[in-house]
Amino acid sequence: QKEVEQNSGPLSVPEGAIASLNCTYSDRGSQSFFWYRQYSGKSPELIMSIYSNGDKEDGRFTAQLNKASQYVSLLIRDSQPSDSATYLCAVKRVQGAQKLVFGQGTRLTINP
Amino acid sequence: ETGVTQTPRHLVMGMTNKKSLKCEQHLGHNAMYWYKQSAKKPLELMFVYSLEERVENNSVPSRFSPECPNSSHLFLHLHTLQPEDSALYLCASSVNRGSYNSPLHFGNGTRLTVT
Repeated sequence: QKEVEQNSGPLSVPEGAIASLNCTYSDRGSQSFFWYRQYSGKSPELIMSIYSNGDKEDGRFTAQLNKASQYVSLLIRDSQPSDSATYLCAVKRVQGAQKLVFGQGTRLTINP
Repeated sequence: ETGVTQTPRHLVMGMTNKKSLKCEQHLGHNAMYWYKQSAKKPLELMFVYSLEERVENNSVPSRFSPECPNSSHLFLHLHTLQPEDSALYLCASSVNRGSYNSPLHFGNGTRLTVT
């Protein structure tokens, strides 16, 4: 079982719709959860972090965490073509110095 | 200049060459990382330095040798690489203070091709 699993996609969403990206993790003791966006040929950039169960909203982005189900998701409202990128889910384990484990990423395409 | 800067951006090397990747951060962070990103695979953590001390070494082959002379600079020395080592090598930095770890800030990476 992979430590952090994401559907690699590609996920195609029409412009203006809600894009929903999902991630599951295997380490039940994980504490911190992050979503990074990576444009083609560029480095990952942090867009959301979440540490407790529930929803966290930041502009058009909402991160959702359910520790009982070991599931974290990212919703993008009013999707724009500029949101087309690969989205990486990352999970921090309890122990170790910033031992961040990444999923393989979901490639998202927003169609105009 | 701010952020995390990596040089070179692209590198092509033969299997018998020796080269080094350089990373510099201007964020005042105290931890630095090397990650490897291969096609269709998750980002793989290679090395972590916290306060210039190596604290993580994820079973990386000895042909990769990291060096962290101070908290702002990180190197990855390469020798006798294999074609399967071709990948994007990403440097990152963060603040580590006890139980607090800030999110990672990544550099733009070095695209390495081993021929």
